[in-house]
Amino acid sequence: NAGVTQTPKFQVLKTGQSMTLQCAQDMNHEYMSWYRQDPGMGLRLIHYSVGAGITDQGEVPNGYNVSRSTTEDFPLRLLSAAPSQTSVYFCASSYSPSGLSYEQYFGPGTRLTVT
Amino acid sequence: AQKITQTQPGMFVQEKEAVTLDCTYDTSDPSYGLFWYKQPSSGEMIFLIYQGSYDQQNATEGRYSLNFQKARKSANLVISASQLGDSAMYFCAMIISNFGNEKLTFGTGTRLTIIP
Repeated sequence: NAGVTQTPKFQVLKTGQSMTLQCAQDMNHEYMSWYRQDPGMGLRLIHYSVGAGITDQGEVPNGYNVSRSTTEDFPLRLLSAAPSQTSVYFCASSYSPSGLSYEQYFGPGTRLTVT
Repeated sequence: AQKITQTQPGMFVQEKEAVTLDCTYDTSDPSYGLFWYKQPSSGEMIFLIYQGSYDQQNATEGRYSLNFQKARKSANLVISASQLGDSAMYFCAMIISNFGNEKLTFGTGTRLTIIP
């Protein structure tokens, strides 16, 4: 199993550009989520999905869109990039949305810089 | 709303000593789970240990143990016999039961440096 994969690893955008961060998992996990990590702030939840066709907002959803058309994929779209979106983005998945004890498997992260 | 607090931004510990990383949490939900993750300088997030709110025993995983004090709402991570490879950021996180809407909330982390 490849686990959780993210592409690209690094990306530089100009203000106003749009792009999609890709996330895929091959573990048949129902629950997938996106976090951003900023210095001194830990990881903050952007959006999450409890299954194909179902998404919801997390703590910091503004400026980001998601969709979940398949169990495997959960892309994150930046509609109009802003310097405040400079961050490291992590995608994660876990076995069951209603299983508290299931650890989240994290992707390797995408480092995004918006100039 | 749920909240995780890690009050130690950084810690320096001598190799082979035990180290305790503090974590306090706040929730009114009786059913929750607590996690610890390690993030080395390479950036990946590594799951270390899990404790459920109804678990009677403190969780242990090798050199890692979770000192769970429910009344104090604390979930400290204890690393026994620290090693140089333990140098990393450590994050405490909590998940609340809300069928179909569980969300994982992270603390701000503690940077642990092991001194040879």
